[in-house]
Amino acid sequence: GQQVMQIPQYQHVQEGEDFTTYCNSSTTLSNIQWYKQRPGGHPVFLIQLVKSGEVKKQKRLTFQFGEAKKNSSLHITATQTTDVGTYFCAGPGSNYQLIWGAGTKLIIKP
Amino acid sequence: ETGVTQTPRHLVMGMTNKKSLKCEQHLGHNAMYWYKQSAKKPLELMFVYSLEERVENNSVPSRFSPECPNSSHLFLHLHTLQPEDSALYLCASSYQPLDTYEQYFGPGTRLTVT
Repeated sequence: GQQVMQIPQYQHVQEGEDFTTYCNSSTTLSNIQWYKQRPGGHPVFLIQLVKSGEVKKQKRLTFQFGEAKKNSSLHITATQTTDVGTYFCAGPGSNYQLIWGAGTKLIIKP
Repeated sequence: ETGVTQTPRHLVMGMTNKKSLKCEQHLGHNAMYWYKQSAKKPLELMFVYSLEERVENNSVPSRFSPECPNSSHLFLHLHTLQPEDSALYLCASSYQPLDTYEQYFGPGTRLTVT
């Protein structure tokens, strides 16, 4: 069945370093969504990408959608403690479903 | 955020108990969802409702029974659960039950089955 693979599972960074998470779909996606879940919290919608090759920025966060619309990435520049959490990508599946990646947990080293 | 509320926030129940989880959305959305999130698995969609009608059931065991009396309220009735059902249960809503609309999540109910 359709799958959305997300890597890495965890990423440990020093505060101020960059962070990137990658999402790959087994099928072409009409769009891709990104969510953030803080520790102990719930997923919160960040952004949706629709167009092939689309790049969107939100302050230090840069989101990309691949040309083939099968992969996407989220890059955070100069991480801060407020960035800690798990980042999920999600793509459309069948019957109103979103197919979710397993998430990448961003951990800031003390 | 108070757009989507869930009660209770924490629940401990025995395998023979019957309990219900409640979700309410104040966003004027037409679609509501139940998800299960456990430590080892990504978000698992359980049920989707559109305008109070169930449109998707992802082969969820019958010990989970959803109810959607109106477009603002969603319940998940639980009975004879198993310890492996312990997880965070998240409710979400969206404008329409289409994959192009972002979903808004409630804070979740942390369920422990003993």
